[in-house]
Amino acid sequence: QKEVEQDPGPLSVPEGAIVSLNCTYSNSAFQYFMWYRQYSRKGPELLMYTYSSGNKEDGRFTAQVDKSSKYISLFIRDSQPSDSATYLCAMMDSSYKLIFGSGTRLLVRP
Amino acid sequence: DAGVIQSPRHEVTEMGQEVTLRCKPISGHDYLFWYRQTMMRGLELLIYFNNNVPIDDSGMPEDRFSAKMPNASFSTLKIQPSEPRDSAVYFCASSPGTPYNSPLHFGNGTRLTVT
Repeated sequence: QKEVEQDPGPLSVPEGAIVSLNCTYSNSAFQYFMWYRQYSRKGPELLMYTYSSGNKEDGRFTAQVDKSSKYISLFIRDSQPSDSATYLCAMMDSSYKLIFGSGTRLLVRP
Repeated sequence: DAGVIQSPRHEVTEMGQEVTLRCKPISGHDYLFWYRQTMMRGLELLIYFNNNVPIDDSGMPEDRFSAKMPNASFSTLKIQPSEPRDSAVYFCASSPGTPYNSPLHFGNGTRLTVT
């Protein structure tokens, strides 16, 4: 079993939809949770970073962490075609090893 | 700020050949990471450096892989001899501080194809 599980998609939604992306994990030592966005043929870029359980909002993006269920989510409101990319969850314990999910490919249709 | 610079962008080589991938981190960043991305396994950490010193190389697949960081502005990942299963996109990333509170800045990767 992988430490971090993420549905690969693809997820196709119409412009303006609310998108929900999710990851589950098995290592209870993970304390730091991140979401990266990766456009085709580019490196990943950090979108959101959270430490504790709960919600964190940044513009159209909301990151949610539920440590008791070992479940994290990223919500995108009013999705735009420019949001079309692969979204990778990532998490870290007390070491500096950032463990990535396999990524969910998102397509926002105009 | 030019970002993390990797070269070459693409590399095609034959099995058995030596391959060297290069990375120039962002100036002032103390941490440097090498990742490999494949469809099957996603993004995997190979090795990371702090202040030019290798800290954890447990992700390096086998002895055919080696990484060096001779100075703060340059790192290499070498595969010798290369095999078809090494085909992947290799990313270098740097960070200004500990990954706890400093985001990783990724380069655009080197796409390696071993035939």
